[in-house]
Amino acid sequence: DQQVKQNSPSLSVQEGRISILNCDYTNSMFDYFLWYKKYPAEGPTFLISISSIKDKNEDGRFTVFLNKSAKHLSLHIVPSQPGDSAVYFCAASQKFTGGGSNYKLTFGKGTLLTVNP
Amino acid sequence: DGGITQSPKYLFRKEGQNVTLSCEQNLNHDAMYWYRQDPGQGLRLIYYSQIVNDFQKGDIAEGYSVSREKKESFPLTVTSAQKNPTAFYLCASSIHADTQYFGPGTRLTVL
Repeated sequence: DQQVKQNSPSLSVQEGRISILNCDYTNSMFDYFLWYKKYPAEGPTFLISISSIKDKNEDGRFTVFLNKSAKHLSLHIVPSQPGDSAVYFCAASQKFTGGGSNYKLTFGKGTLLTVNP
Repeated sequence: DGGITQSPKYLFRKEGQNVTLSCEQNLNHDAMYWYRQDPGQGLRLIYYSQIVNDFQKGDIAEGYSVSREKKESFPLTVTSAQKNPTAFYLCASSIHADTQYFGPGTRLTVL
């Protein structure tokens, strides 16, 4: 049962336009959401995150929006650049059930973004 | 230069052999994690460790084993009991926070 879903396997946009990547989740216990960017044969790099008590977080060209009632979040990239072409993973966080102060991340399957020059 | 290193980058194994993947971090992070990524899939948690000498199974621990004897190191052994070991393996670490930082990964291929 997929708790974090990225329903679009791929997205293609023109350079300079907006890229919107979407993510849906089912578990109400998630309290923090993250976006990672990944190039082939490399580890994911952290992009931006948002706490469940907020509805928007912005960092340069990247903005994440959270609609908690709809259990939906989106990543906006404006303007899109060819270097943004990569797989983007949405991840949701909750504390480990066994105790401790660390968090388990549940990942979506990713969306391949292609930005065309 | 702080970071997470994984070695080797590529690893080939014959069926029936155990193999150990290395993960080292100098970020002074308490928690470390191992994930597996298959084509078209998200990252799935194999094992995690929140503190030295302690580790817990993740969602897909069968056929894998780990140790955490030092804060900096969290090696993963892929045993012959793992039915489909060919995958991209990622190690991550964090410090009492949601954000995990990943190493460059090891691609394991079973011949």
